Amino acid sequence: LAKTTQPISMDSYEGQEVNITCSHNNIATNDYITWYQQFPSQGPRFIIQGYKTKVTNEVASLFIPADRKSSTLSLPRVSLSDTAVYYCLVGEFRGNTPLVFGKGTRLSVIA
Amino acid sequence: GAGVSQSPRYKVTKRGQDVALRCDPISGHVSLYWYRQALGQGPEFLTYFNYEAQQDKSGLPNDRFSAERPEGSISTLTIQRTEQRDSAMYRCASSQGQRSETQYFGPGTRLLVL
Repeated sequence: LAKTTQPISMDSYEGQEVNITCSHNNIATNDYITWYQQFPSQGPRFIIQGYKTKVTNEVASLFIPADRKSSTLSLPRVSLSDTAVYYCLVGEFRGNTPLVFGKGTRLSVIA
Repeated sequence: GAGVSQSPRYKVTKRGQDVALRCDPISGHVSLYWYRQALGQGPEFLTYFNYEAQQDKSGLPNDRFSAERPEGSISTLTIQRTEQRDSAMYRCASSQGQRSETQYFGPGTRLLVL
């Protein structure tokens, strides 16, 4: 799986938009980009996946430039409950593919 | 059940004892994965199953670790002769087994080896 690089930590105030960028220079043609969220004392939870351009769901948006060597997870108007670790993963994500996690980005939202 | 469940949630054992960790996946999910997570790190893959078949056990640290899923549903991860370095959060995940599918994680079992 392609190696990813993301900031170790970020801080934000409530109500702000948070953008977490992930670098994946060696992404392959068949690779997708997936983000997982992990709250303290819980297992990781899938939040969004994309291949190119922009994907939006009820939780977040994912922006992927044309060269796909990076991606940005955007969380609109964060609240205290968005405090978590966010993991960027890159791979084919076919059925039966183990996930390869890095250290993720620890987002702290403060009032 | 509604999600992946694991038991026990906490396990304290003495060095040298064997432990068995249980995972009950989401009903109907074909694939089941075991991960281990150290503090401040992301989950690390251990092994996974499709139905009852163990497809990949390359992540198991050594031969003290084993896993089974005899009926293609509940799985047990067994650690024999535990060592202090085995202390970690052990997480189970399941998925439907289709292309680009999502993995659903359980709450984990925190193992402490004294």
